[in-house]
Amino acid sequence: DQQVKQNSPSLSVQEGRISILNCDYTNSMFDYFLWYKKYPAEGPTFLISISSIKDKNEDGRFTVFLNKSAKHLSLHIVPSQPGDSAVYFCAASASSGGSNYKLTFGKGTLLTVNP
Amino acid sequence: NAGVTQTPKFRVLKTGQSMTLLCAQDMNHEYMYWYRQDPGMGLRLIHYSVGEGTTAKGEVPDGYNVSRLKKQNFLLGLESAAPSQTSVYFCASTMFGPGGKLFFGSGTQLSVL
Repeated sequence: DQQVKQNSPSLSVQEGRISILNCDYTNSMFDYFLWYKKYPAEGPTFLISISSIKDKNEDGRFTVFLNKSAKHLSLHIVPSQPGDSAVYFCAASASSGGSNYKLTFGKGTLLTVNP
Repeated sequence: NAGVTQTPKFRVLKTGQSMTLLCAQDMNHEYMYWYRQDPGMGLRLIHYSVGEGTTAKGEVPDGYNVSRLKKQNFLLGLESAAPSQTSVYFCASTMFGPGGKLFFGSGTQLSVL
């Protein structure tokens, strides 16, 4: 049973436009959410995170929005740059219920930013 | 500043052979993890450790064993490799558990023939 879902395997946008990557979760115990970026032949790197007590977190060109009632979060990249082309993973953890040591990842979305 | 180092980077095994993947971190992190990445499957947790001398099972632990004898090292063992274990393996570490961000190694590409 997939608890973190990224339903779009790929996304293609033009340079300078907005990229919106979506993530849904089913476990209501999740209270911390993270986005990781992964280039080919490299390990994932942390991008941005959000706690369930917030609905928005911003870091430069990257903003994560959390809608707890819909169990949905999204990552906005504005403006998109060719160097943003990578696989983006959504991840979640729960601070209680025995899952606080573990991150659950989605399957990833391949973002391609075209010049 | 090395961060998380995985060895080897590539390995080819025959079915039934055994091997150990080594992960070393120099950030004094308490928590360490082994994930595998397969096409269309994302990152799945194999085993993890919340401190020296501790290990615990993740979501796909079968066929793997781990040890954390030293705080800085986390070893992943395959006792009898199977083709289904062909994957890219990533080690990660963090100080405060998953509420804090994970630092990943660059991965080990393992092929089992």
